[in-house]
Amino acid sequence: DQQVKQNSPSLSVQEGRISILNCDYTNSMFDYFLWYKKYPAEGPTFLISISSIKDKNEDGRFTVFLNKSAKHLSLHIVPSQPGDSAVYFCAASPVNTNAGKSTFGDGTTLTVKP
Amino acid sequence: NAGVTQTPKFQVLKTGQSMTLQCAQDMNHNSMYWYRQDPGMGLRLIYYSASEGTTDKGEVPNGYNVSRLNKREFSLRLESAAPSQTSVYFCASSAPDWQETQYFGPGTRLLVL
Repeated sequence: DQQVKQNSPSLSVQEGRISILNCDYTNSMFDYFLWYKKYPAEGPTFLISISSIKDKNEDGRFTVFLNKSAKHLSLHIVPSQPGDSAVYFCAASPVNTNAGKSTFGDGTTLTVKP
Repeated sequence: NAGVTQTPKFQVLKTGQSMTLQCAQDMNHNSMYWYRQDPGMGLRLIYYSASEGTTDKGEVPNGYNVSRLNKREFSLRLESAAPSQTSVYFCASSAPDWQETQYFGPGTRLLVL
């Protein structure tokens, strides 16, 4: 049973528009959530995180929203840029557990067209 | 400051051969991790080391062993490689706080024939 699901394997948007990447989880013990970005032939890089005590966290063009009752989080990128084209992974970790032991989703490949 | 480095970048093995993947970090992090990523899938934790001298199993430890040689280095060993271990392997490190960001290496692409 996959505990973290990214149901859209791919997403294509036009430059300047909003990109919305979604992630669902099933484990109610998860309380810390992270998004990573990965370019081909490179390791993932941390993008943004959110704790369950919040429902929104913003960092520049990137905003993560958390809906605990729906066990759903989303990453909004506004405006999208061609350099944002990458694979985005959602990850979740339980209460007081090292974030390195997070459970990862399968990723969504974002393509931003010029 | 190189961050997290991994060697080799690419390796081809025959079934039954052994090899060690090397990882080093220069950020003075206590915690280090080994993940594998299979095509179309997310990262799965193989082993981690919360601090020098300690190691623990992750989600998929079978067929692997690890050594935390010192604070900087964390190696992953395949004693008898199998085709199912064909994957991309990532090493990562982080500071000890549970919400601390992880830093990943560039990965080792392993093909087992």
